[in-house]
Amino acid sequence: ETGVTQTPRHLVMGMTNKKSLKCEQHLGHNAMYWYKQSAKKPLELMFVYNFKEQTENNSVPSRFSPECPNSSHLFLHLHTLQPEDSALYLCASSPGVDEKLFFGSGTQLSVL
Amino acid sequence: DQQVKQNSPSLSVQEGRISILNCDYTNSMFDYFLWYKKYPAEGPTFLISISSIKDKNEDGRFTVFLNKSAKHLSLHIVPSQPGDSAVYFCAASNYGGSQGNLIFGKGTKLSVKP
Repeated sequence: ETGVTQTPRHLVMGMTNKKSLKCEQHLGHNAMYWYKQSAKKPLELMFVYNFKEQTENNSVPSRFSPECPNSSHLFLHLHTLQPEDSALYLCASSPGVDEKLFFGSGTQLSVL
Repeated sequence: DQQVKQNSPSLSVQEGRISILNCDYTNSMFDYFLWYKKYPAEGPTFLISISSIKDKNEDGRFTVFLNKSAKHLSLHIVPSQPGDSAVYFCAASNYGGSQGNLIFGKGTKLSVKP
């Protein structure tokens, strides 16, 4: 248990659906991240939040919308996704943005 | 173009032997390197790191070696145990920047056979 909890663990959605991924950390960390892991590809950074402020958006399409209401919670809102968006979405946190990452178990997303 | 490459997708080793996982990088600005381990259905967990001012860092059975001139690092696990079976990711960053900008390799799946 890393102290970073993601829900749901699995999600199947149609291209017209709207869903949200949730991440919660109980470590008192100030930075939170969304990563994407597609099959046979490296982990790709999507978004970085530091003290609730978004500091990085790695050219992610607008159909992915992050939200960070406080330093402990991070959401990824999904709408009109494409089948190629099917992947493992990992949340991570760190004490500060220049410190090691603690990952959640991920949400395995399938877009039909 | 991948900046961090793990050219071996898989590696199989006998229990008790040494496991050597390799990683190459192309960006000479990288100055901090990490290894993460990932079990199925779990997120990656931090294993060991090394700064570019060192060429070796050791933590128990795990040792990371860095060859800056060759832009190459390796993770040695001695002795290998069945519980080490997992996917190992190499990652690199410019430590002066955000570690959220870690660049990951594709991973190497290690299987340690009893």
